[in-house]
Amino acid sequence: AQTVTQSQPEMSVQEAETVTLSCTYDTSESNYYLFWYKQPPSRQMILVIRQEAYKQQNATENRFSVNFQKAAKSFSLKISDSQLGDTAMYFCAFSSGSSNTGKLIFGQGTTLQVKP
Amino acid sequence: DAGITQSPRHKVTETGTPVTLRCHQTENHRYMYWYRQDPGHGLRLIHYSYGVKDTDKGEVSDGYSVSRSKTEDFLLTLESATSSQTSVYFCAISTGTSGGSSSYEQYFGPGTRLTVT
Repeated sequence: AQTVTQSQPEMSVQEAETVTLSCTYDTSESNYYLFWYKQPPSRQMILVIRQEAYKQQNATENRFSVNFQKAAKSFSLKISDSQLGDTAMYFCAFSSGSSNTGKLIFGQGTTLQVKP
Repeated sequence: DAGITQSPRHKVTETGTPVTLRCHQTENHRYMYWYRQDPGHGLRLIHYSYGVKDTDKGEVSDGYSVSRSKTEDFLLTLESATSSQTSVYFCAISTGTSGGSSSYEQYFGPGTRLTVT
């Protein structure tokens, strides 16, 4: 069974600085998808970034980028130029590419606080 | 905005009563999901649907049932609510494919906070 682990329950960063959130996963599959979701205090789940396992290039979305290390089964999220609006809980998630169900397996989450 | 609504948004109910949560989408996506969110566990899949009348169990399905009689609606029922089912419930839809690949990005509704006393 696949698992997703986020080992940092809480993190903080100063505004305008860079922070990296860690995520590791376990799977025997070679084809899968990885996601980072953001959950601000409003509770809404927002898709931040997505990575296909077959792509070697790391995904980027504006200030958000990932470091995807397939052999190490690691998928970290880097937030550059942190803003107060980045304060949220962040979830790493895994989806099998072979099951065709799209089911997501989530990590436990990391609470990020951006300080002014 | 994926056009997903959930109702009710908040509910308090007593142990042993039946509860039905509704998820409604406006864009005819094939896949729909119900998750629950609890501290320390992230989100866990309860049930999902891959079409009208086609559903399957997720990781934490005990005590829950679902129905999907129309593409746009996915109902989650707690037949006899227990205190352990106090949680925040999220509905999600999957786009299925994106740019020619099956990426299964999921987009979430606003959530329902359910308290069972």
